[in-house]
Amino acid sequence: KAGVTQTPRYLIKTRGQQVTLSCSPISGHRSVSWYQQTPGQGLQFLFEYFSETQRNKGNFPGRFSGRQFSNSRSEMNVSTLELGDSALYLCASSLGQSTYEQYFGPGTRLTVT
Amino acid sequence: KNEVEQSPQNLTAQEGEFITINCSYSVGISALHWLQQHPGGGIVSLFMLSSGKKKHGRLIATINIQEKHSSLHITASHPRDSAVYICAVIGALSGSARQLTFGSGTQLTVLP
Repeated sequence: KAGVTQTPRYLIKTRGQQVTLSCSPISGHRSVSWYQQTPGQGLQFLFEYFSETQRNKGNFPGRFSGRQFSNSRSEMNVSTLELGDSALYLCASSLGQSTYEQYFGPGTRLTVT
Repeated sequence: KNEVEQSPQNLTAQEGEFITINCSYSVGISALHWLQQHPGGGIVSLFMLSSGKKKHGRLIATINIQEKHSSLHITASHPRDSAVYICAVIGALSGSARQLTFGSGTQLTVLP
């Protein structure tokens, strides 16, 4: 089975712009979680989607949003980018039921200038 | 106080040494993950535990639910084990959600 894929892998944006990141989970997985990793804050949970519904959300401002499609692919969007949004954004997929196992994608490294 | 505490933050070992990384958490959990992150960012899940002990090759992970403590051991360490090791938990109050709370990581360097 193919692993979790994320696109794009690298992205440079300017303050004030918006960005959309994509995550394709492992085939058959219905849960996709998003995480942000920065040198200062480490890894933090953004949100989780299961069967197109947001199941949980971390402590991030409303500029961070996401969605999941019927094929379980997920996108996250960050509007009005700030310098502090520069980070590695990771998604992880899981079957979503009966197991807590998560499989991580390679991440998207976002740089905001 | 962070919900998940790891120690040590940095660890340098000689090839062949036995290595232990510790993780303590303050909340009830449904599961605990040990993750490995190499330079470049990719994260690999090494173990997921909810009780007892698991072994995979030279890696061993244990968890003590009563003491809220887990350890990751690497036997016969090798330079290719050099990476950041991260402990992460799914809180028992998360319900069906798969929300991970992470420790700050342990940077392991194994010298030849």
